Amino acid sequence: GAGVSQTPSNKVTEKGKYVELRCDPISGHTALYWYRQSLGQGPEFLIYFQGTGAADDSGLPNDRFFAVRPEGSVSTLKIQRTERGDSAVYLCASSPTGVNQPQHFGDGTRLSIL
Amino acid sequence: GQQVMQIPQYQHVQEGEDFTTYCNSSTTLSNIQWYKQRPGGHPVFLIQLVKSGEVKKQKRLTFQFGEAKKNSSLHITATQTTDVGTYFCAGPKRSSNTGKLIFGQGTTLQVKP
Repeated sequence: GAGVSQTPSNKVTEKGKYVELRCDPISGHTALYWYRQSLGQGPEFLIYFQGTGAADDSGLPNDRFFAVRPEGSVSTLKIQRTERGDSAVYLCASSPTGVNQPQHFGDGTRLSIL
Repeated sequence: GQQVMQIPQYQHVQEGEDFTTYCNSSTTLSNIQWYKQRPGGHPVFLIQLVKSGEVKKQKRLTFQFGEAKKNSSLHITATQTTDVGTYFCAGPKRSSNTGKLIFGQGTTLQVKP
């Protein structure tokens, strides 16, 4: 079946702009995760959704970052007033129900802030 | 805070040689997961270890979870060029029931044919 789908695959924008990154998880997966990966590093947790609610947003670096999952399926990560330090690959992952399960990753969105 | 560390950061081997990467956690883990990320790709789940001292094998790959559940290793026997990539270990955040994973920084394996 279809895997986790992320769009766009690449996003280049200027400092100070607003961006939205989209994630479409595997159908039926209730758990959805956003991670951020910088070059040479492992994925860094941002936020976890169980259904429609953000069960853990402890990884969001500051209030410029926000994510939603209004219908418990597709999720959007929103970044306001982007900064050059936000440049990274943003990965989305899903799992059937959440805790202690393998996570299935999408191909990511490579975000470049000029 | 809770940390997961991996060594070495890079490893270059000749095809046919063995390879091992080591993972150490600052806290006891309920389980540990291993992922492989090919160049330009995304992390792909390999295996999960749960029990103290557990050893699991997948063809040429052997995974081990330490007795204290704070360290793990991945050993590849007779590497092939298809093994190229970065191998990450990841453990759940302690006292968390959210499935949030703390990843190591990865070991990047290069295999010379």
